[in-house]
Amino acid sequence: AQSVTQPDIHITVSEGASLELRCNYSYGATPYLFWYVQSPGQGLQLLLKYFSGDTLVQGIKGFEAEFKRSQSSFNLRKPSVHWSDAAEYFCAVGELSGTYKYIFGTGTRLKVLA
Amino acid sequence: EPEVTQTPSHQVTQMGQEVILRCVPISNHLYFYWYRQILGQKVEFLVSFYNNEISEKSEIFDDQFSVERPDGSNFTLKIRSTKLEDSAMYFCATRPEPGQGLEQYFGPGTRLTVT
Repeated sequence: AQSVTQPDIHITVSEGASLELRCNYSYGATPYLFWYVQSPGQGLQLLLKYFSGDTLVQGIKGFEAEFKRSQSSFNLRKPSVHWSDAAEYFCAVGELSGTYKYIFGTGTRLKVLA
Repeated sequence: EPEVTQTPSHQVTQMGQEVILRCVPISNHLYFYWYRQILGQKVEFLVSFYNNEISEKSEIFDDQFSVERPDGSNFTLKIRSTKLEDSAMYFCATRPEPGQGLEQYFGPGTRLTVT
């Protein structure tokens, strides 16, 4: 069955430090891949997406992600974290058949130290 | 830019009551989804809907739940006889007709609190 794994439940970084959030997926083919950010009590904001082509994708708020087929990974990165980046981050896989539903990871909660 | 909207933003109901959550899709979208996120947990797929029928549902989507598109615009999720464990954020998502992309567009969510 398809699955998405985010191994880090919580991550704490200092403001200005670099960030990498890990995401691994299990899927029979190259899926559609997404990163969403969610502030407490709020909805899902799309940070970036990968469908095909260049494996390094740029998103909003200075985030980028790299698709690595050999590792079944789609890690999210930011070179310098801001205090406002504190939130929960979800990686998601979009199925390529059937109803094309999304499968979400369990999320990584990011805390930023001043 | 067109958006998916959901009403209400927050619904409080007593256990055993029925609730209807509403979603207004982007106008040319034909595929509709409901997802659920229990507080502190991940977002889970509930159901997909296309051409006026359910195309897939998860094991969560039991007889307590139903969906419909009553007037050709709103897409609704009805929860009968709510339970405490139904308390969650419910997200509607929609996507365009075939050939116009597979990306889903999410609404802002409805927070359901069952007391």
